[in-house]
Amino acid sequence: GAGVSQTPSNKVTEKGKYVELRCDPISGHTALYWYRQSLGQGPEFLIYFQGTGAADDSGLPNDRFFAVRPEGSVSTLKIQRTERGDSAMYLCASRVSSMNTEAFFGQGTRLTVV
Amino acid sequence: AQTVTQSQPEMSVQEAETVTLSCTYDTSENNYYLFWYKQPPSRQMILVIRQEAYKQQNATENRFSVNFQKAAKSFSLKISDSQLGDTAMYFCAFNPYNQGGKLIFGQGTELSVKP
Repeated sequence: GAGVSQTPSNKVTEKGKYVELRCDPISGHTALYWYRQSLGQGPEFLIYFQGTGAADDSGLPNDRFFAVRPEGSVSTLKIQRTERGDSAMYLCASRVSSMNTEAFFGQGTRLTVV
Repeated sequence: AQTVTQSQPEMSVQEAETVTLSCTYDTSENNYYLFWYKQPPSRQMILVIRQEAYKQQNATENRFSVNFQKAAKSFSLKISDSQLGDTAMYFCAFNPYNQGGKLIFGQGTELSVKP
């Protein structure tokens, strides 16, 4: 596609449920990043993929959060046993490579846990 | 720890005037990139300008320019001839060379351009 696509745009889920957030990066971009942005704050790094492998998952807050990128393109961020504190905007970005080229962001998924 | 600080939560400027947004960062790295991103109400983060730390010359992109002071670890953004479309959240971000391109963001500055 022309840009980074994230689906859904908005997701409301009940506490304790499982959710999946999808990111479709720009075609040919090998590096993919997930960030979490709480209201009124800057984005915080969660995880970074180079190709299919997670090169750095140091930002994942706990083991309820997991992400995959099985074919080196689309990525899915998975959150188990959601908590109200997980409510935030989840942003995805992609780069041609990890070597400090411009990062292109999607419009994000607004997750609300009720 | 590497941190980015934006000390101005909100700023406002009259249309056609000039405004400067502040950013400081803390790192022991010598090689890195710095960025300013704009996030309008539509939510999509858009790159405004970038600066390589090894370059002494300040980056410029049309009405946007930076004042990069490496020794002071300061990276301010100047917007000249402000336009209504510049209204947005502005984030300063830091990217060390050796960390796979992950960005460390500041807290943001909400800029309002008034007609």
